[in-house]
Amino acid sequence: SQTIHQWPATLVQPVGSPLSLECTVEGTSNPNLYWYRQAAGRGLQLLFYSVGIGQISSEVPQNLSASRPQDRQFILSSKKLLLSDSGFYLCAWSVWGDTEAFFGQGTRLTVV
Amino acid sequence: DQQVKQNSPSLSVQEGRISILNCDYTNSMFDYFLWYKKYPAEGPTFLISISSIKDKNEDGRFTVFLNKSAKHLSLHIVPSQPGDSAVYFCAASFTDKLIFGTGTRLQVFP
Repeated sequence: SQTIHQWPATLVQPVGSPLSLECTVEGTSNPNLYWYRQAAGRGLQLLFYSVGIGQISSEVPQNLSASRPQDRQFILSSKKLLLSDSGFYLCAWSVWGDTEAFFGQGTRLTVV
Repeated sequence: DQQVKQNSPSLSVQEGRISILNCDYTNSMFDYFLWYKKYPAEGPTFLISISSIKDKNEDGRFTVFLNKSAKHLSLHIVPSQPGDSAVYFCAASFTDKLIFGTGTRLQVFP
């Protein structure tokens, strides 16, 4: 069966510090991978999605970047965090051609 | 530019009654619509979906209706139960991307 791991669950970082959130998927090959952010009043905002290794599409201009160094690994990064980067970050995966996406447990990021 | 909108941020319903959650979209290219349920500090879980070629899909207490001409879909929960209390997100799909709405917090009270 397929599983998705996302860590850490919570993170408190000072403004200006770097960020690295990792997501891995097990039990499937060549998944589509997504990073979403849930912020107050904004619902679930799609940040990045990837259809393959090294292929990253950015949906919104922002202070964050994403990378996919391996087939089932998706990393969300920032060189210098801003206060506005605080939020609940969710990694998700889907199979190409299928619509349903499966989410990780999320990371609560607080930038102070 | 919010392509998927849920205009009601919250909804309160008595147990046993019907809950109706609404969602509007702007992009006519969306070909699939989904509803997700989310509890605090957890990832969303899939609830029910509907293809753009259909106008209704039913799964137990949950029914989703799609009105393509109005670019509107709704989720009906009947009868509502206290365990249904959560945030509900509608989502629309196009080319493997899922675009979510802002969510509606449903509270079912006894």
